[in-house]
Amino acid sequence: DSGVTQTPKHLITATGQRVTLRCSPRSGDLSVYWYQQSLDQGLQFLIQYYNGEERAKGNILERFSAQQFPDLHSELNLSSLELGDSALYFCASSVGPAGSTDTQYFGPGTRLTVL
Amino acid sequence: QQPVQSPQAVILREGEDAVINCSSSKALYSVHWYRQKHGEAPVFLMILLKGGEQKGHEKISASFNEKKQQSSLYLTASQLSYSGTYFCGTEGGSQGNLIFGKGTKLSVKP
Repeated sequence: DSGVTQTPKHLITATGQRVTLRCSPRSGDLSVYWYQQSLDQGLQFLIQYYNGEERAKGNILERFSAQQFPDLHSELNLSSLELGDSALYFCASSVGPAGSTDTQYFGPGTRLTVL
Repeated sequence: QQPVQSPQAVILREGEDAVINCSSSKALYSVHWYRQKHGEAPVFLMILLKGGEQKGHEKISASFNEKKQQSSLYLTASQLSYSGTYFCGTEGGSQGNLIFGKGTKLSVKP
């Protein structure tokens, strides 16, 4: 158990819908990272927040947005869902702001299925 | 730019050794190694920072050659529990995010 929690575990929805994925980092961690993992794309970095501020942005679509709240939990919002958005979405957390030097601890993931 | 991992897959017998390589086309600041078992989250193995430092974790160690922009993960006397997909994550600067390779699937058979 990494200490990172994600809800829900599974989510099934229809194309065009909007969903929200939630992540609570490990106690004491200030950074939250979101990743998308699909069979053909591997583990893709989406976005990082550090202490409430956006820190780094990766291959995140405009239909996707995220935020980190004062209590440090984070939410990833996915809208106008398409079939291709079906994937495992992982959240990871680390102590500091630098994803390149900090250990990132991954949550169990949310499996999103878009029908 | 996404690092390239090789081999894509490897099958071992228990007790055999394996090497997984991770190469980048750009200068690297750090390399992270993770193992992911089917249906589970990636689990951190180790970080290597530029300086050529070799690190170890039980019977798993890694090296980082910053001149060649390469890292290698060494698994010795493999155990069944080593099975999974190994990912390297690389970063070319000190403040950026990780880019992960496509993974190397390792299967250890009894």
